[in-house]
Amino acid sequence: RKEVEQDPGPFNVPEGATVAFNCTYSNSASQSFFWYRQDCRKEPKLLMSVYSSGNEDGRFTAQLNRASQYISLLIRDSKLSDSATYLCVVGLFGNEKLTFGTGTRLTIIP
Amino acid sequence: NAGVTQTPKFQVLKTGQSMTLQCAQDMNHNSMYWYRQDPGMGLRLIYYSASEGTTDKGEVPNGYNVSRLNKREFSLRLESAAPSQTSVYFCASSAGRFSGANVLTFGAGSRLTVL
Repeated sequence: RKEVEQDPGPFNVPEGATVAFNCTYSNSASQSFFWYRQDCRKEPKLLMSVYSSGNEDGRFTAQLNRASQYISLLIRDSKLSDSATYLCVVGLFGNEKLTFGTGTRLTIIP
Repeated sequence: NAGVTQTPKFQVLKTGQSMTLQCAQDMNHNSMYWYRQDPGMGLRLIYYSASEGTTDKGEVPNGYNVSRLNKREFSLRLESAAPSQTSVYFCASSAGRFSGANVLTFGAGSRLTVL
C-alpha cells in the first residue's frame, strides 16, 4: 500500500459546482497534513494546512479523519482558476520528510 | 524577495555526463530538499538537509550526491547521468521540523533530459 494515495482523476467539473477530493495515508503516526496546488509545468504551492479540527479558507475547506486515516479537500463555487493538480502531503512530527501523493487533477469547465 | 532560486531551468545531457543543479534560498530556512517529479509517480525525495553541514538520503538517492554549501545553498550533482534520471527536479526549503508546520517553499523547477 502506498504511504499516501489519491484518486488521480481527472475530475471535470462545471464552473460554480462543488467538488471534493479525498486522500488516504497509511502511517497512523502521521501528524502533519497539507494540501498543495500545482499548476501545469509549475512548482507546487501550499494551498492550506489541515488541522485536527478542520479548517476553512474562503471557498476551500479541509478536514482530517484520523480514525479512517484520510484528509479531504472541498472546493465550493469552483472557478476556472481552480483548474490545477491538488497534491496531498503527509508528514511525521519531528521528521523532515514529507510524503506526497501523486495528485488529483481538476479541470473546471466553463 | 526571490524565495527559492534554482538553476538551470532546462538542461539536456548525454548519458554519462555530469552536472550540478544549484539551489539557493533567501528565507533563512534551516531545511532544504531536492525532489524529482515523474508522471504518475508524484514528488519523490532524493536528499534533504536539516541544517547546514548535514545531509540525509531520501526515497531515491541512488545516482545523486548533494552538498549543503552554507545555510542558503544546497546543490544536487549527477556524476554519471542516465536516461532514468530524465525528470523535473524541484528544490525546496522550510523552516524545519520543529517550526510548527513544516511548510515547503519550492523553486520553479529544473527540467533535465538525459539522452
